[in-house]
Amino acid sequence: EAGVAQSPRYKIIEKRQSVAFWCNPISGHATLYWYQQILGQGPKLLIQFQNNGVVDDSQLPKDRFSAERLKGVDSTLKIQPAKLEDSAVYLCASSLGAHLGETQYFGPGTRLLVL
Amino acid sequence: GQQLNQSPQSMFIQEGEDVSMNCTSSSIFNTWLWYKQDPGEGPVLLIALYKAGELTSNGRLTAQFGITRKDSFLNISASIPSDVGIYFCAGQLGGGSNYKLTFGKGTLLTVNP
Repeated sequence: EAGVAQSPRYKIIEKRQSVAFWCNPISGHATLYWYQQILGQGPKLLIQFQNNGVVDDSQLPKDRFSAERLKGVDSTLKIQPAKLEDSAVYLCASSLGAHLGETQYFGPGTRLLVL
Repeated sequence: GQQLNQSPQSMFIQEGEDVSMNCTSSSIFNTWLWYKQDPGEGPVLLIALYKAGELTSNGRLTAQFGITRKDSFLNISASIPSDVGIYFCAGQLGGGSNYKLTFGKGTLLTVNP
């Protein structure tokens, strides 16, 4: 079974530029998550989708970050404009559903460096 | 918001030694999970705990869900070089459709062959 796919794996941009990340979850997984992992920290949830609807985006900096999952399958996360503090690994995860204890499977992440 | 305190921050041990790490929270969780993250990869689930007091093993790994629901520990017995990585605890509260994970800061484990 294919895992969670993410692209690109690495991205270097200058501050104030825009960037987009793509995630393809495991086939059949209804729930998709975007996490931000700053160096030396654990992942922090940015947004959770259930199919194509947003369940939780309370920690998403909405003035510059946006995410969509239009057809309820793959998803894109965009940052516009980027700041230096956005340098981090952006992890996508998916799970079959949204139940307590449902296993979340993580992709390899996109490493973003903002100069 | 909920915060997890994970300790130790890092460990350097000899191959064959046992390892113990723990996680405490200021508030309760309904599920505790332990993940391992290798360089350049996403976290991989090692053990999930669903009930207070539960003790679960997965090979050389043993984890427990604290009675107060505010803490958990992970033990690794007879460590081997491939145990190297960052170990994260994560708590899940649940409620409605929100099952986000709250992660600790991680324990970096280095195993000297």
